[in-house]
Amino acid sequence: KAGVTQTPRYLIKTRGQQVTLSCSPISGHRSVSWYQQTPGQGLQFLFEYFSETQRNKGNFPGRFSGRQFSNSRSEMNVSTLELGDSALYLCASSQGPTNEKLFFGSGTQLSVL
Amino acid sequence: AQSVTQPDIHITVSEGASLELRCNYSYGATPYLFWYVQSPGQGLQLLLKYFSGDTLVQGIKGFEAEFKRSQSSFNLRKPSVHWSDAAEYFCAVGATSGTYKYIFGTGTRLKVLA
Repeated sequence: KAGVTQTPRYLIKTRGQQVTLSCSPISGHRSVSWYQQTPGQGLQFLFEYFSETQRNKGNFPGRFSGRQFSNSRSEMNVSTLELGDSALYLCASSQGPTNEKLFFGSGTQLSVL
Repeated sequence: AQSVTQPDIHITVSEGASLELRCNYSYGATPYLFWYVQSPGQGLQLLLKYFSGDTLVQGIKGFEAEFKRSQSSFNLRKPSVHWSDAAEYFCAVGATSGTYKYIFGTGTRLKVLA
């Protein structure tokens, strides 16, 4: 079974631009979560989707948004990029509705110049 | 507020030595507890989890962790460290009340000396 796939692996953008990151969960997994990882801050929860519905959202500005498609694939979008948005963005999927075990992708490393 | 504290940012041990990584949590009820490991350039891999029952849980790669409710701790241990254990380790509190999110500690980076 293929793991969680995130694309692209690396991304370089400039301030003010927008970016879209993609995540394909493990086949059969219906929940997708997104986390932002920065040195010293650990992982910060962005949002979680289950069957195309956002069930929870972290404390991030409205520039961060996401969605999930009917095939469970998910995208997150960051508009008006700021230098502080530079981070590793991790996607995780889980099978059931209670997220008892997360399977992580390798992440998208975003650098904002 | 819910939180997870990993007091050690860096730990260095010699290969073959024992290891204990500390984790303290703040949560309103008995939480789901997890330890994940992250190798450079990779995502996180689950080492072990505690939901209920026996407070000593066994995981992959020879790791174990003990849940101590009185101390709000969930420390990770390994009796003999291998060079391949060098990585970053994250403790996390998971959703028990339908919040559908994990709260992660800031991580402990483990260095193993040959």
